[in-house]
Amino acid sequence: GAGVSQSPRYKVAKRGQDVALRCDPISGHVSLFWYQQALGQGPEFLTYFQNEAQLDKSGLPSDRFFAERPEGSVSTLKIQRTQQEDSAVYLCASSLGSAINEKLFFGSGTQLSVL
Amino acid sequence: DQQVKQNSPSLSVQEGRISILNCDYTNSMFDYFLWYKKYPAEGPTFLISISSIKDKNEDGRFTVFLNKSAKHLSLHIVPSQPGDSAVYFCAASANNFNKFYFGSGTKLNVKP
Repeated sequence: GAGVSQSPRYKVAKRGQDVALRCDPISGHVSLFWYQQALGQGPEFLTYFQNEAQLDKSGLPSDRFFAERPEGSVSTLKIQRTQQEDSAVYLCASSLGSAINEKLFFGSGTQLSVL
Repeated sequence: DQQVKQNSPSLSVQEGRISILNCDYTNSMFDYFLWYKKYPAEGPTFLISISSIKDKNEDGRFTVFLNKSAKHLSLHIVPSQPGDSAVYFCAASANNFNKFYFGSGTKLNVKP
């Protein structure tokens, strides 16, 4: 596709369940980011990949959060033992190169609701 | 500690008038700034950017101004149109950072 694709669009999980969120970046984009957006807030950085290498995971809130991009294209964000405070929109973004001064292309996000 | 702040959660403007959205930052290392626009149920879309070597960048109806000494940037939309109604986020980064820092957004409502 032409843009960044995320699935599922909506996810409802019971507290304690594991979830996996998928991101298909724009083909050929080197950099991939995951952001978390709580209601009424701006996106907060979670993690950054350059190709398959996870160069920064400083924003992951706990060890329940794990992200991978094994072949340098599709990425998965996994949240184990979900908690209510994990409820948010999870945004994936990609950019063409590795320089930070490039615009990000965002997907529509996955809205996660933990009950 | 929020490094990028948008202190106005909302702004209402009449169609045809100017919309001015403001953004302040605290980290003097930031040297690249972007504005994003977000409609409900969609991801943010890139609007305009500016690097710290400039103090102004213009693209059609959109102009971004950067005041480095005040650590302040603003987005001007002239003339405002009802289709501009959305949430606007500013974001900042630097060459040695791996991330963008976003403000909390300003919801713009352009009234017909």
